[in-house]
Amino acid sequence: SQQGEEDPQALSIQEGENATMNCSYKTSINNLQWYRQNSGRGLVHLILIRSNEREKHSGRLRVTLDTSKKSSSLLITASRAADTASYFCATVVPSSGSARQLTFGSGTQLTVLP
Amino acid sequence: NAGVTQTPKFQVLKTGQSMTLQCAQDMNHEYMSWYRQDPGMGLRLIHYSVGAGITDQGEVPNGYNVSRSTTEDFPLRLLSAAPSQTSVYFCASIRTGGSLNYGYTFGSGTRLTVV
Repeated sequence: SQQGEEDPQALSIQEGENATMNCSYKTSINNLQWYRQNSGRGLVHLILIRSNEREKHSGRLRVTLDTSKKSSSLLITASRAADTASYFCATVVPSSGSARQLTFGSGTQLTVLP
Repeated sequence: NAGVTQTPKFQVLKTGQSMTLQCAQDMNHEYMSWYRQDPGMGLRLIHYSVGAGITDQGEVPNGYNVSRSTTEDFPLRLLSAAPSQTSVYFCASIRTGGSLNYGYTFGSGTRLTVV
């Protein structure tokens, strides 16, 4: 079963606008990660936020985490056509072993129009 | 270039055929895993390995076998392909303990079609 669910499933915006994607998850986590996938390509890690963090920035990316609501959001500011991709959240849950699997959401397809 | 290399990039199989999807990494990562991605869905974990000689099942292991004889390689075997295994397959790796602080490194994927 999928840990994360993303909202919206698809988002279309104009270049220069901000894009916000949301992710909800079901169980306690160690951290939550966001990945980007360009069409026909592999996933690229964007940013990781730990369960004891509330907000994190990386360039034009801003991630928030609300563990009480089991939700996270990814904000991309001043979007560019090159930001067009699918974005996935993924969680790492507490485990007694060394295997810390990633569990993915279903993704948000972002289209940035020039 | 350091990273995760998957071969082949594309493959068409007939039902009942067998094949091996290759995955190799040169980052000395102990942890390697295989995911499948189906349309409209996120990635689902098939099998994973925490080190040479150690493998375990993920969420959707049926129809797939894996082995880990070296740190670098983690092949995925389909013994008797079925149309339900049509998907895009991704291999990912990370060093042990790294998942608490770092993201995983993914290969570029193998697009498999079973007819």
